[in-house]
Amino acid sequence: DTGVSQDPRHKITKRGQNVTFRCDPISEHNRLYWYRQTLGQGPEFLTYFQNEAQLEKSRLLSDRFSAERPKGSFSTLEIQRTEQGDSAMYLCASSFPGHPGTGANVLTFGAGSRLTVL
Amino acid sequence: RKEVEQDPGPFNVPEGATVAFNCTYSNSASQSFFWYRQDCRKEPKLLMSVYSSGNEDGRFTAQLNRASQYISLLIRDSKLSDSATYLCVVNILNAGKSTFGDGTTLTVKP
Repeated sequence: DTGVSQDPRHKITKRGQNVTFRCDPISEHNRLYWYRQTLGQGPEFLTYFQNEAQLEKSRLLSDRFSAERPKGSFSTLEIQRTEQGDSAMYLCASSFPGHPGTGANVLTFGAGSRLTVL
Repeated sequence: RKEVEQDPGPFNVPEGATVAFNCTYSNSASQSFFWYRQDCRKEPKLLMSVYSSGNEDGRFTAQLNRASQYISLLIRDSKLSDSATYLCVVNILNAGKSTFGDGTTLTVKP
């Protein structure tokens, strides 16, 4: 399988619980992104990594959210003390950087992890 | 004001129609532009990149107007299978973040 894999696909949790999502990117891609999407909205940027370095985090990302990519391969996104407003689809994508026209910055998404907080 | 704005639609068109979507972006440093397609409850997938000179892929034509900071997507001879949400995406050269619009929903009817 050469695509982006995400796990779990669905997670239902109670408010206040912690959840963790995993993403395995395309192996040739050194950039990995996390986005969040709610119904009727486009994907909203959360954070991204180049190799193991987390290079940017959205100002909208509260301190309850943390992401890691310890070996520059798979990544985890943890949400602590979940709130009902965290219910969304969490999308992971990967890409490689470069100049326009080279296929760079084209995001390949995984199928997403859908979170429902009760 | 959002960085990338799209008319949400929905656009309801008959098969065979020609339909056009526009997208405006606010950051003049934007360098890479894309259209993604998202089917219901699926992940977004690249439809086409948008180049300065404009580009065509079968029934789909993308145009970029840097002076006015907008991007367009034209779909000719619409098919039922074109029904989806079309997302406009903007990226600053070598910047990590790709910014998505909220999408335009297209429904093609028999």
